[in-house]
Amino acid sequence: GQQVMQIPQYQHVQEGEDFTTYCNSSTTLSNIQWYKQRPGGHPVFLIQLVKSGEVKKQKRLTFQFGEAKKNSSLHITATQTTDVGTYFCAGRNNDMRFGAGTRLTVKP
Amino acid sequence: DGGITQSPKYLFRKEGQNVTLSCEQNLNHDAMYWYRQDPGQGLRLIYYSQIVNDFQKGDIAEGYSVSREKKESFPLTVTSAQKNPTAFYLCASSILPRTPPFFGPGTRLTVL
Repeated sequence: GQQVMQIPQYQHVQEGEDFTTYCNSSTTLSNIQWYKQRPGGHPVFLIQLVKSGEVKKQKRLTFQFGEAKKNSSLHITATQTTDVGTYFCAGRNNDMRFGAGTRLTVKP
Repeated sequence: DGGITQSPKYLFRKEGQNVTLSCEQNLNHDAMYWYRQDPGQGLRLIYYSQIVNDFQKGDIAEGYSVSREKKESFPLTVTSAQKNPTAFYLCASSILPRTPPFFGPGTRLTVL
């Protein structure tokens, strides 16, 4: 069945450094969504990507959907302490599957 | 103020007891979902409902039951048949099936 793998599992950065998390699907996706979950909180929807090769930006966050629609990435430029949390991708084919998430910690 | 509410935030139950988690939304969304989250893991789908009076099993439905008698409400019952019920339970809704779900604040269930 469809599987969504996300790496790395953990990432610790110094404030101001960049951060990237990657999501890979075993099957071609119709779309992919990204969520952020703060410690002790619930997942908050960030963005949905639909088109092959699509790139979207939200301030310091850049989201990319691969040409084959099987992988995606989230890149944060110049991390801040407010970026801490776990970032999840969720890929949809017939069903929606969540990656295990990348937990980001930021040292001030 | 629109949104999804789940209550209570923390819930404790003795082993062998059934427990029902509430989920209410006033967003007029058609689809509703229940997910389970265990530490360090992603979200796994328990049940979903695309329309009132209809619901389907997700990946880990065993030991759980749901109802969808009203559009706004999608309660989840964790039965004594669920072997490892301690987890963080998240309810979500989306305006239409297959559109991105938005999550409620969650209920942390601990079975002692």
